Amino acid sequence: AQSVTQLGSHVSVSEGALVLLRCNYSSSVPPYLFWYVQYPNQGLQLLLKYTSAATLVKGINGFEAEFKKSETSFHLTKPSAHMSDAAEYFCAVRGFRDYKLSFGAGTTVTVRA
Amino acid sequence: KAGVTQTPRYLIKTRGQQVTLSCSPISGHRSVSWYQQTPGQGLQFLFEYFSETQRNKGNFPGRFSGRQFSNSRSEMNVSTLELGDSALYLCASSLDANTGELFFGEGSRLTVL
Repeated sequence: AQSVTQLGSHVSVSEGALVLLRCNYSSSVPPYLFWYVQYPNQGLQLLLKYTSAATLVKGINGFEAEFKKSETSFHLTKPSAHMSDAAEYFCAVRGFRDYKLSFGAGTTVTVRA
Repeated sequence: KAGVTQTPRYLIKTRGQQVTLSCSPISGHRSVSWYQQTPGQGLQFLFEYFSETQRNKGNFPGRFSGRQFSNSRSEMNVSTLELGDSALYLCASSLDANTGELFFGEGSRLTVL
């Protein structure tokens, strides 16, 4: 079975500072990994996905994530935080022919002016 | 291209009642998945349909059911509502859930009194 663990339920950063959200996965087979963002009272929006094509994945809004098999990690980063990045972020994993995503508990990001 | 549409957006029911939620996927998408989101349990997979067939089901009691129509629209039903069923119910569509990229609707927020 596949699962993900997000380290830290809340992250607070200053505007312009690095955003780093941690995600570790557990999978018995090569996984498909995703990061989603959820703004208040909205659904989830895909930021980026890893499907084995490249270990460094670039997504929307300046976010990127690096797949590290040796560390079973898929951490999300953004070099410079913007106020609009305040939201909840979810890491998710899916196995081949699993037809469902298993989500982490989520990390809420607040951005200080 | 229109996104995933969920109706109703908000609803209030009392214990013992039943509820039906509707989801219209993105045009051309044949897979529809449903997730329950609560503060305590996070995002949990309910079921996934593809071409009117349920391919995967989460660990929810039989009170939770769903179906998909020939036009790919989907409904989920919860019977004999309990207080614990209060949640945001999210629908997601994809060309095929096996490809992993899910597009989410804004959700239906159910409150059970």
